[in-house]
Amino acid sequence: NAGVTQTPKFQVLKTGQSMTLQCAQDMNHNSMYWYRQDPGMGLRLIYYSASEGTTDKGEVPNGYNVSRLNKREFSLRLESAAPSQTSVYFCASSEIRGNTEAFFGQGTRLTVV
Amino acid sequence: TQLLEQSPQFLSIQEGENLTVYCNSSSVFSSLQWYRQEPGEGPVLLVTVVTGGEVKKLKRLTFQFGDARKDSSLHITAAQPGDTGLYLCAGPMEYGNKLVFGAGTILRVKS
Repeated sequence: NAGVTQTPKFQVLKTGQSMTLQCAQDMNHNSMYWYRQDPGMGLRLIYYSASEGTTDKGEVPNGYNVSRLNKREFSLRLESAAPSQTSVYFCASSEIRGNTEAFFGQGTRLTVV
Repeated sequence: TQLLEQSPQFLSIQEGENLTVYCNSSSVFSSLQWYRQEPGEGPVLLVTVVTGGEVKKLKRLTFQFGDARKDSSLHITAAQPGDTGLYLCAGPMEYGNKLVFGAGTILRVKS
């Protein structure tokens, strides 16, 4: 049972480049999330999807877009990367809503130079 | 400004000492969760507290949910080096669809 799988694990981008972070879960969860983690800031919610076909902005959505491709997959896209987007990105899923346990992937360490 | 404020931000103690970490908000939460994160890994759930005034114990860890459901605390008795990590509180918002986190408390237990 893989749980939540994120790819890639590491990435270096040049300013202005675009990329998509992939996330897939095999637990049949309805809710999925994208967070970024910066030193001293904890986890900040970028976007979330309460169910297949819906997405909503979180606390820090600017510069990002998401796609809930199906129930399993939730991708995060950076259209034009900026140094301020250097961070560790985590994808998570939960069964129904935010008051049930969230399961996390191992993270993607992104550096924008 | 984060909806969930954690304190302290950093705690360095000797093995065997007790400690308490706090999670506070001006908002009422239907539940609060505590996660622990180790370097290079994603957070892992420790406990969920649901009822105001609830106390839950997990071995040497005691979790409490405030009566008004605006705050929570994590108390560790006789801390061990294996307790070292980042402790995060989290709670659901917007009808439970949005899970937000505090900034976390970095705990270092020295042997």
